[in-house]
Amino acid sequence: GDSVTQMEGPVTLSEEAFLTINCTYTATGYPSLFWYVQYPGEGLQLLLKATKADDKGSNKGFEATYRKETTSFHLEKGSVQVSDSAVYFCALTRGSYIPTFGRGTSLIVHP
Amino acid sequence: EAGVTQFPSHSVIEKGQTVTLRCDPISGHDNLYWYRRVMGKEIKFLLHFVKESKQDESGMPNNRFLAERTGGTYSTLKVQPAELEDSGVYFCASSQDFGGTGNTIYFGEGSWLTVV
Repeated sequence: GDSVTQMEGPVTLSEEAFLTINCTYTATGYPSLFWYVQYPGEGLQLLLKATKADDKGSNKGFEATYRKETTSFHLEKGSVQVSDSAVYFCALTRGSYIPTFGRGTSLIVHP
Repeated sequence: EAGVTQFPSHSVIEKGQTVTLRCDPISGHDNLYWYRRVMGKEIKFLLHFVKESKQDESGMPNNRFLAERTGGTYSTLKVQPAELEDSGVYFCASSQDFGGTGNTIYFGEGSWLTVV
């Protein structure tokens, strides 16, 4: 079946550091790929998405490129802020619109 | 516009007791979903309603879990009797349409359940 694998957390960074959270997937066909974020005390929010190979999703300074050859959708940000501290979930959909999620990666950004 | 709301936000119950979680979707959203995240693991799909009908309940773990959506508005998820492994965060989500890459699912804040 479909699956999503994310790097183990927590990821701890200093403010203004570069962020990469790895995500790889297993799915047949051509899934759509997503990053969701859960800030403390809030629900899951869609951060960005890409629906076909080589697409780049971007939002709030975060980017991720859909790489079909490596089945990856790594999340990056050039300069993180304390307010980016949250749990980040990689997800995919295929066919129906019921996302398959990864385990989540906690990001902690120190001032 | 109000988002997806869930109640209670936190619940601590003893093994063997019953807990009922409630979800109010965004007004007008026919599609309602329940998900669960056990500590440190992935968010797993439980089931999907279209209005009051269960479209897909393939993710329900066992018959101790009962979900309802009477009248196609709010939904409840009852766990009876609760076991220790039921502890986790239960997310509810809703969407206006189903399928297609342009659709967006909106999630609630989650209901944190601890079974002791």
